[in-house]
Amino acid sequence: DTAVSQTPKYLVTQMGNDKSIKCEQNLGHDTMYWYKQDSKKFLKIMFSYNNKELIINETVPNRFSPKSPDKAHLNLHINSLELGDSAVYFCASSQGPTRNTGELFFGEGSRLTVL
Amino acid sequence: KNQVEQSPQSLIILEGKNCTLQCNYTVSPFSNLRWYKQDTGRGPVSLTIMTFSENTKSNGRYTATLDADTKQSSLHITASQLSDSASYICVVSDKDSSYKLIFGSGTRLLVRP
Repeated sequence: DTAVSQTPKYLVTQMGNDKSIKCEQNLGHDTMYWYKQDSKKFLKIMFSYNNKELIINETVPNRFSPKSPDKAHLNLHINSLELGDSAVYFCASSQGPTRNTGELFFGEGSRLTVL
Repeated sequence: KNQVEQSPQSLIILEGKNCTLQCNYTVSPFSNLRWYKQDTGRGPVSLTIMTFSENTKSNGRYTATLDADTKQSSLHITASQLSDSASYICVVSDKDSSYKLIFGSGTRLLVRP
């Protein structure tokens, strides 16, 4: 069983469209995250939810809207897609704060290409 | 500014050889340091997590070291295998933030037969 699963794995779309990426974790973790990995391979945090409550919002354009219907799911909706949104988006989860060595488990990534 | 820098950017070694990857960080105050392995097209997978009081940790053929005074860490891979070909990412936890990690850009390792 995949611990953190995200769909779709690949997404190709036109500029201006709206798209969503879904994430689910079956580890029973309280905290979920969205990371963006750019072309230089840096992973940067975008959002984090703890028990469905938003705890990190890293100055991401408001075209990006996360939604956590329950603590096992964290979806990412992106409006009015731009070329610069092309990247790989990773969902992750942890039990407890990463400051306290809470291990972070990543999904396989969703590669978004905006044409 | 909190940063994590890794070297070399890429590395090619022959199967069976050892190698060492370096990580320097400026994150302060520092809580813990992690090494992740990321295969091409996959998500990162944790190799080791070390707190500031630990100076070495092993996971099979992977051994991480940490010098919190000089703010340096290394990842040593012993008897490399073809499956070790991947990116290795150094990640530091900022003590001031419960959930934020700062990632290096990784070292891309290629193991050749």
